[in-house]
Formats: sequence, C-alpha cells, structure tokens
Amino acid sequence: KAGVTQTPRYLIKTRGQQVTLSCSPISGHRSVSWYQQTPGQGLQFLFEYFSETQRNKGNFPGRFSGRQFSNSRSEMNVSTLELGDSALYLCASSLVAEGQFFGPGTRLTVL
Amino acid sequence: AQSVSQHNHHVILSEAASLELGCNYSYGGTVNLFWYVQYPGQHLQLLLKYFSGDPLVKGIKGFEAEFIKSKFAFNLRKPSVQWSDTAEYFCAVKSGAGSYQLTFGKGTKLSVIP
Repeated sequence: KAGVTQTPRYLIKTRGQQVTLSCSPISGHRSVSWYQQTPGQGLQFLFEYFSETQRNKGNFPGRFSGRQFSNSRSEMNVSTLELGDSALYLCASSLVAEGQFFGPGTRLTVL
Repeated sequence: AQSVSQHNHHVILSEAASLELGCNYSYGGTVNLFWYVQYPGQHLQLLLKYFSGDPLVKGIKGFEAEFIKSKFAFNLRKPSVQWSDTAEYFCAVKSGAGSYQLTFGKGTKLSVIP
C-alpha cells in the first residue's frame, strides 16, 4: 500500500498571504488528522476529519481550517499568514485499531 | 487536558548499550499508547502501539515498551542500540474512543556513538 502523501513538500510565503496544503491518506483510511510541528512547541494537533466531517479540533485560531473530500483526501488552509506559522505540517491517516500513519510533511516558511 | 512528558531531552549512548526512554501521561481513563521515531530527514514512523492486553509490547527494529498503568507510564526499551537508532523518539497518547487525536511528548533525541 502506498503511504500518506502530502503536497507540496516545501512552500515559501509572505506574511498576509494564504496557503493550501493537500494530503492523500492511505487507501481505505477514512480518518485524516493534521498536526503542526515546531522546535519550540513540538507536535500539536490541529484537527481531524472523518467521512468529510470535522470530528475534533485543536487549540488553533480560526485562520486554520480544513476539509475532507468524499475520497478521503484532505486539504488544510491557513489564511493571513503570520511569521509564527512557519512549521512542518504533518498529515496522518488511521484505521481504528492500527495507529496513525504520518506523511512526510509540508515545510512552510513565512517571510 | 491530556499531557505527555518525556523524561529526557537528549540521550547519548555508545553502540551496544541498553536504552530506556521514559514517558508519563496524565489521563486517568482508557488510553491507547504509541511510540514514534523520526530518523534524520525522514517522516514519523510508528514503532509500536499498546491498545489492551499484555502490557509488554514488541515493535519493529527490536524495540519494546512496557505499559505500567499504576504509574501512568509507557517506557520504551531496547537491549542493545546501534548507530542506526540515532533519531528522535516521541511518545503519544490517544485518550477515549472516537476521534483520533494524539497528544505527543516533546521528544527525546537519541545519539548513538559508534
């Protein structure tokens, strides 16, 4: 089975812009979660989608949003980018009793 | 809110030394527990998981972990480390049923000296 894929792998944006990141889960996985990884805060949960519905949300501002499509692919959007949004954004997909499997991430740099 | 603490920020070992990394979590109810590894330049990989049953679980690459319910602990062990085990190790907890949200520890960087 192919793993979780994320595109693009690297992005450079400037403050105030918006960005959309994409994630394709492992075939058959209906749950997709997003995490932000930074050196200071570590790995922090953003949100989880299951069957096109947001099932849970972490403690991030409303500028961070996401959605899931009927084929389980997911997108994450960050509007009005700030310098502090520079991070590695990780997508993970899962089946109930298997654990989460992570993609390689999208490295976002905000200038 | 759930929290996870990993005891060591950076561990340096010589090859063939034994490894034990500690992890404690705060949630008192039913939990699922995980250890992930992130090799330099690679993505997070699942090392092992505990859902229920035998508190001693075996994972990939010779790693094992012990769930100690009374101490809210899930400690990672390997009898003999190799240079290739140099990586960052993350403990993670999923609490409750339903939504798949992991709470991660801050990570422990392991450096193995040949």
